[in-house]
Amino acid sequence: AQSVTQPDIHITVSEGASLELRCNYSYGATPYLFWYVQSPGQGLQLLLKYFSGDTLVQGIKGFEAEFKRSQSSFNLRKPSVHWSDAAEYFCAVGRGNKLSFGAGTTVTVRA
Amino acid sequence: GAVVSQHPSWVICKSGTSVKIECRSLDFQATTMFWYRQFPKQSLMLMATSNEGSKATYEQGVEKDKFLINHASLTLSTLTVTSAHPEDSSFYICSASIGQGTTYEQYFGPGTRLTVT
Repeated sequence: AQSVTQPDIHITVSEGASLELRCNYSYGATPYLFWYVQSPGQGLQLLLKYFSGDTLVQGIKGFEAEFKRSQSSFNLRKPSVHWSDAAEYFCAVGRGNKLSFGAGTTVTVRA
Repeated sequence: GAVVSQHPSWVICKSGTSVKIECRSLDFQATTMFWYRQFPKQSLMLMATSNEGSKATYEQGVEKDKFLINHASLTLSTLTVTSAHPEDSSFYICSASIGQGTTYEQYFGPGTRLTVT
């Protein structure tokens, strides 16, 4: 069975500071990995995805993620956060055409 | 980008009644749509996979007779919560998929907040 763990329930970061959100997965085969952001009143938006190849993936809004097979991790990073990055972030692993989501990390940005 | 809408965005119904939620792909055709349920501060749990023109596939533990799914066209899937009870109160989210393999992606609707009183 596959599972996704996001160890951090809530992270508070100052505007302009760097951000890293952790994601660990358990999956028997080469995973398809995704990061989504959920803002109030809006649907989940895809930030980036990893299928194969370069383990450092660039996404939208200045986000990037690094796939580390040895650590079964796919951590999301942003060098300098903006107040608009306050949201809920979900890591997901794909199996066939289905997605399994982690519990999410709430990001609060303080001025 | 691809847009998925849901209607209504929120609904309140009385216990024992049924409520229908619509999910539409506005600018693309979706042969496959998905229905998720999200509890407060928790993850999205896949309820079922909806394929146009065929019966939905439900995840283990999801009551197919309570959560009726219809995918009658390439742009519309509906979820009907039958004989709703307070424990059915939740946030329901749909998505529609595009592509295969490395181009695969799901586009999500904004969700429907259901409150059963």
